[in-house]
Amino acid sequence: SYELTQPPSVSVSPGQTARITCSGDALPKKYAYWYQQKSGQAPVLVIYEDSKRPSGIPERFSGSSSGTMATLTISGAQVEDEADYYCYSTDSSGNPWVFGGGTKLTVL
Amino acid sequence: EVQLVESGGGLVQPGRSLRLSCAASGFTFDDYAMHWVRQAPGKGLEWVSGISWNSGSIGYADSVKGRFTISRDNAKNSLYLQMNSLRAEDTALYYCAKDIWPSIAVAVAPDYWGQGTLVTVSS
Repeated sequence: SYELTQPPSVSVSPGQTARITCSGDALPKKYAYWYQQKSGQAPVLVIYEDSKRPSGIPERFSGSSSGTMATLTISGAQVEDEADYYCYSTDSSGNPWVFGGGTKLTVL
Repeated sequence: EVQLVESGGGLVQPGRSLRLSCAASGFTFDDYAMHWVRQAPGKGLEWVSGISWNSGSIGYADSVKGRFTISRDNAKNSLYLQMNSLRAEDTALYYCAKDIWPSIAVAVAPDYWGQGTLVTVSS
């Protein structure tokens, strides 16, 4: 079955840039989506179709994709950005969608 | 405001069945595909199933295929998940989620999520 691979943790100081990667063989031809999940809360969509930002998501959140890797970038990370982040995609239309294993972002 | 309220969770013995429901409001329910996503305690997210706006396209994760059935009633603005032959590894918080795009043939990606209903499978 298809897998998306994320680093388990990323740590930055407030104001620094955080980059979270997601690796998957089908990412050159399939979009990646990114979700933020704060402790005890439901996930929130922060990036869709590799690089588009839903309304209400701060501009410091951006996404990109190149080859088999998608990247979520948080420019000037803030303490309130501490959360688990998950990428999401599929390897083919009609196949199950999958989440990456999640990355815990620490900002301190 | 989009609202998704899950119900039907609880404690169930292995091998038994449970039916989850999701009541939707704040958007045109029959325009959108819907998803079920689960999260085991202390673990990551797992996509479980998705259904298109007209039930014409349905998909399942390999881990639940043949045991779970997703359905919807557009007249009642409701989404369902029938879970049979439950296993201990199905223990999780089950989220109902709305798809990002209207009027498409397949479920793509969740945007709005409910708060979840907890399913515990244990003897």
